Amino acid sequence: DAKTTQPNSMESNEEEPVHLPCNHSTISGTDYIHWYRQLPSQGPEYVIHGLTSNVNNRMASLAIAEDRKSSTLILHRATLRDAAVYYCIERASGTYKYIFGTGTRLKVLA
Amino acid sequence: DAGVIQSPRHEVTEMGQEVTLRCKPISGHDYLFWYRQTMMRGLELLIYFNNNVPIDDSGMPEDRFSAKMPNASFSTLKIQPSEPRDSAVYFCASSLWGRGGNQPQHFGDGTRLSIL
Repeated sequence: DAKTTQPNSMESNEEEPVHLPCNHSTISGTDYIHWYRQLPSQGPEYVIHGLTSNVNNRMASLAIAEDRKSSTLILHRATLRDAAVYYCIERASGTYKYIFGTGTRLKVLA
Repeated sequence: DAGVIQSPRHEVTEMGQEVTLRCKPISGHDYLFWYRQTMMRGLELLIYFNNNVPIDDSGMPEDRFSAKMPNASFSTLKIQPSEPRDSAVYFCASSLWGRGGNQPQHFGDGTRLSIL
């Protein structure tokens, strides 16, 4: 099964940028990398996804390594509302089955 | 637009009872997913449907669990009989088809199930 590796937890100060890393060495050439986050007592929420190029949206930026074996989610200015568990996900090859790992618990300090 | 709607939000019942969880996906979405989240095992995919047809149910823990999607706007996850170890938060999600898996999944708020 497709598997990603993330640090268990990270901390950031409010208003500072946060870089959340993810290793996905088994990803196939055509599968997208997705990032979701889960706030307390809520369902996972889509953040961003990408294939090869770096991607930006209103929530975050996604930087993808040239070999696609790793990526970094960038929150440009962390706020207290960004405190959540962030999941980096790759799809099991040939299916629509997403494998959620343990994610990174982000703590934002005021 | 309405998101994925799950009901009930909370369910408390006694061991041995039948439990039915309900989900209304986002209109027009082709795929529907059922997940279970526990502290021990994290977020696990139980089953997913494409155009109302079950595609992969390899995550369903045992025969006590069953899922149906009678039409494009409704799905149920049933546990019969329920056991305390089934206590978890159950999420439903839906998505459009996308080449290479490039369409995000949209999750409901979940059903928190407690089996006493």
